Amino acid sequence: AQSVAQPEDQVNVAEGNPLTVKCTYSVSGNPYLFWYVQYPNRGLQFLLKYITGDNLVKGSYGFEAEFNKSQTSFHLKKPSALVSDSALYFCAVRDRPTGRRALTFGSGTRLQVQP
Amino acid sequence: NAGVTQTPKFQVLKTGQSMTLQCAQDMNHEYMSWYRQDPGMGLRLIHYSVGAGITDQGEVPNGYNVSRSTTEDFPLRLLSAAPSQTSVYFCASSLGQGTYTEAFFGQGTRLTVV
Repeated sequence: AQSVAQPEDQVNVAEGNPLTVKCTYSVSGNPYLFWYVQYPNRGLQFLLKYITGDNLVKGSYGFEAEFNKSQTSFHLKKPSALVSDSALYFCAVRDRPTGRRALTFGSGTRLQVQP
Repeated sequence: NAGVTQTPKFQVLKTGQSMTLQCAQDMNHEYMSWYRQDPGMGLRLIHYSVGAGITDQGEVPNGYNVSRSTTEDFPLRLLSAAPSQTSVYFCASSLGQGTYTEAFFGQGTRLTVV
């Protein structure tokens, strides 16, 4: 079975400071890992994904994530936070190979960026 | 390109009523799925489909039915609504090549069962 843990319900950071949103995963094989963002009253939007190759993945809006296989982590990072980054962030995993192609999501982390 | 379209956006049901949440995508995606989002629990998979005519259960399938008669449409049916089904429902689709493609989500349906 595949699972994802996001240990922080909320992360608070001041505008201009670096931010990190944590994610750890559990899969039986090698993972496909994703980050999504949800703005109020909206659906989820794709930010970035790790499939294979370089452990540092760059995505939309200046976000990046680092895949660490030994720690089974995929933390989301941004060097300088913006107030507009305030939203709900979800980490997701898909096991490979698997016949079950749907994603498993973490419980979400609310990012609050203060001006 | 409309992407994934869900209707309705809001719905209030009485306990015991049935209804269908509609989901349509125009990207020719093979994979479609339904999730429910509850506070503190993230998104939980209800049902999914790997292609027309093929569906399977997710984590929380009880009380819901799905069918996939076409590639484009993947409706979710609530058989007899219960207050525990009060939630926000999201439909998602993704390409069929491999399992590494990102999912596209609809705007959601906010359902209240009274």
